[in-house]
Amino acid sequence: EDQVTQSPEALRLQEGESSSLNCSYTVSGLRGLFWYRQDPGKGPEFLFTLYSAGEEKEKERLKATLTKKESFLHITAPKPEDSATYLCAVQPGGQNFVFGPGTRLSVLP
Amino acid sequence: NAGVTQTPKFRVLKTGQSMTLLCAQDMNHEYMYWYRQDPGMGLRLIHYSVGEGTTAKGEVPDGYNVSRLKKQNFLLGLESAAPSQTSVYFCASSYLARDRGNSPLHFGNGTRLTVT
Repeated sequence: EDQVTQSPEALRLQEGESSSLNCSYTVSGLRGLFWYRQDPGKGPEFLFTLYSAGEEKEKERLKATLTKKESFLHITAPKPEDSATYLCAVQPGGQNFVFGPGTRLSVLP
Repeated sequence: NAGVTQTPKFRVLKTGQSMTLLCAQDMNHEYMYWYRQDPGMGLRLIHYSVGEGTTAKGEVPDGYNVSRLKKQNFLLGLESAAPSQTSVYFCASSYLARDRGNSPLHFGNGTRLTVT
């Protein structure tokens, strides 16, 4: 069964305190791994797609990396506006996407 | 540029009532999806469609029906609502990216449904 887990469930950081979020997956085949950001009361917003182990993508203070079993979302010197829930999803095959439960990030000023 | 639009934004139903959630996208995407989001459980796929006139079951389809009569619209119906269907419902769309599987999902802002 295709499965995605994320850790930690919640993370509180001080502004400027760098950290990483983890997404672990078990799938029969990986067509893509996706990171989304979700603000309260809103739908998820796309951040990155990663397709193969070793691939990295960067956007402002965020950097996503991928291995054969997990992905990390590294947040460098976060700001309060980075506070959100970060979702990881995989596309194992076909047209479906399997989502993890998310990590709630709070960045305190 | 509206993207994915969901209506209504909020709804309260009594057990046994029926309703239809509407989703419209203006990006000419082939694929459309209905997810529900519950605390601690992530997004779970209810039904999806790979094109006009076609639908398929997802992970949690029981108690829901869907229709895709037009490419831009995807409707989710609850025939007899139950308290277990209290959730936030998200519609999403994507297209087939050549040699790369599906494009990322584009989401609407959700419908918050409470069944009492």
